Amino acid sequence: AQKITQTQPGMFVQEKEAVTLDCTYDTSDQSYGLFWYKQPSSGEMIFLIYQGSYDEQNATEGRYSLNFQKARKSANLVISASQLGDSAMYFCAMRETPTGNQFYFGTGTSLTVIP
Amino acid sequence: EADIYQTPRYLVIGTGKKITLECSQTMGHDKMYWYQQDPGMELHLIHYSYGVNSTEKGDLSSESTVSRIRTEHFPLTLESARPSHTSQYLCASSEYRGSSGTQYFGPGTRLLVL
Repeated sequence: AQKITQTQPGMFVQEKEAVTLDCTYDTSDQSYGLFWYKQPSSGEMIFLIYQGSYDEQNATEGRYSLNFQKARKSANLVISASQLGDSAMYFCAMRETPTGNQFYFGTGTSLTVIP
Repeated sequence: EADIYQTPRYLVIGTGKKITLECSQTMGHDKMYWYQQDPGMELHLIHYSYGVNSTEKGDLSSESTVSRIRTEHFPLTLESARPSHTSQYLCASSEYRGSSGTQYFGPGTRLLVL
């Protein structure tokens, strides 16, 4: 079974609008971490935001927020006030335990911001 | 701000050549990783290391090898490059414990084998 599922291969959003990128995860561990990364066409992976499984508040970093719904095992990324520079691939990832030796990455969502 | 470096950024090389992709980090992270990624596709873990003299193979079978002689350095070597090795290679590092375990990535090396 897939550990991380991103069901939206491609998304479009109008500039200045908000957009939600979906991510669901599968784990039986109680302690895990959830991450979102941005990958522009230049290829580097840029860390955006982190949510710990025990964090009660949704994580926020500037225009990025993570909508964490533990019971539904979802960790959606919300980008507010989209900018043209937000056009990129976005990857959701999970680390299962504090000493986990690897991440599980989703297949990514390609976001295009339309002027 | 993550300080992890990869060289070269781009490499075009002929079949059969030996290549080494360099990766260095200045954050003192114990854990380091190599991923292979085709354009627009998911990442595949090919090697990882918990620390000096520790290396393991990842989920994706790879003909490459790695070494970890110093904490900050984690080079990847292909003894005989083939066109099937054409891809992007991403290096990452993270703290081992006491943190979120966030992986920080280098800028990547785009390899083209002719």
